[in-house]
Amino acid sequence: AQKVTQAQTEISVVEKEDVTLDCVYETRDTTYYLFWYKQPPSGELVFLIRRNSFDEQNEISGRYSWNFQKSTSSFNFTITASQVVDSAVYFCALPTGSARQLTFGSGTQLTVLP
Amino acid sequence: EPEVTQTPSHQVTQMGQEVILRCVPISNHLYFYWYRQILGQKVEFLVSFYNNEISEKSEIFDDQFSVERPDGSNFTLKIRSTKLEDSAMYFCASSEGGVKEKLFFGSGTQLSVL
Repeated sequence: AQKVTQAQTEISVVEKEDVTLDCVYETRDTTYYLFWYKQPPSGELVFLIRRNSFDEQNEISGRYSWNFQKSTSSFNFTITASQVVDSAVYFCALPTGSARQLTFGSGTQLTVLP
Repeated sequence: EPEVTQTPSHQVTQMGQEVILRCVPISNHLYFYWYRQILGQKVEFLVSFYNNEISEKSEIFDDQFSVERPDGSNFTLKIRSTKLEDSAMYFCASSEGGVKEKLFFGSGTQLSVL
């Protein structure tokens, strides 16, 4: 099966705390891509990052960082020094169906309290 | 940054009525998608469209659904006879190179079936 699991349904942190959102995937493809999208309270889906399976280097973009571990089929997302504006639902996603559809995990609702 | 535009932002209809949701994808994109999100739930794939035909569809996309690209710019989703369970946020998306590329999402149409 090809699927994405985000076991954390909701996470609540206080501003300035670091928080890690977990994503575990299953795929039968030998090369593949993984994505994270953000859905703020306004509802739109915003692309955050795409990683391909060739590259296991961690990626950092400002306060955001991603840890891709092929050995554990995980692609975790860390927000450092969280801010109230980070409050959103975060989705991990994987191309499936002969790469003709993007399958989303169930999402993690992150609430950052002031 | 270029945008995917969806209209209307909200649509209220009576059960059994036909609705058409409209989308203007990004102009140089070749791949088009519809996704839906029932309130508080995951983002679900409906259909992908490439080269003027459906390339993949999910089990949700039954005979009541159809898509069309009537001209060079619009991409529509029609629900022939709406049911209560069709109430959801419908997202249009487009990409240059399929789901291995970043998907650009519209801001969605909230469909309420009464």
